[in-house]
Amino acid sequence: DAKTTQPTSMDCAEGRAANLPCNHSTISGNEYVYWYRQIHSQGPQYIIHGLKNNETNEMASLIITEDRKSSTLILPHATLRDTAVYYCIVRVASGSARQLTFGSGTQLTVLP
Amino acid sequence: DTGVSQDPRHKITKRGQNVTFRCDPISEHNRLYWYRQTLGQGPEFLTYFQNEAQLEKSRLLSDRFSAERPKGSFSTLEIQRTEQGDSAMYLCASTFRTSESTDTQYFGPGTRLTVL
Repeated sequence: DAKTTQPTSMDCAEGRAANLPCNHSTISGNEYVYWYRQIHSQGPQYIIHGLKNNETNEMASLIITEDRKSSTLILPHATLRDTAVYYCIVRVASGSARQLTFGSGTQLTVLP
Repeated sequence: DTGVSQDPRHKITKRGQNVTFRCDPISEHNRLYWYRQTLGQGPEFLTYFQNEAQLEKSRLLSDRFSAERPKGSFSTLEIQRTEQGDSAMYLCASTFRTSESTDTQYFGPGTRLTVL
């Protein structure tokens, strides 16, 4: 699975959009971009994933660049409960795919 | 609650003791994963099951660790002769996996182990 690079930490004001970047310059054509988050002392929570098109669900939007070498997770209206470590994971999603490989993630702190 | 559950949530033990953790996956999920997470790090893969078959084990899984999923439903992770280095959060995740699907793993709340 491709390696990802994320900033160590970011702050965001409550009510504003949080934009979390992820670089994955060695991504292969059959690899998806997944985002999980982990609130302190809880298990990771799935947020969203995509292959090449932008994706949106009730939690967030995922913007993937045309060359697929980077992506941005957008939380449109951040709340204090969005404070967490956010993990960007690139992963093959075919039948041979197995475990998730987590990096260090980005600590997002939403400020009141 | 239809999510992944883990028991116990916290375990404190003395070095050298054996401990066992249980994971109940989401109903009908055929794949179950175990991860370990130490302070300040992301989760690391330990092992996974497809139904009752254990298909892969990480090199992190020493001989003191054993995992089972006897009926393809719940799973147990046992650590024998615990060491202080085993102190970590042990996470379980499940998914429904087919060859065509882009499976999403759903995690439980974890079991935090402290070895004194």
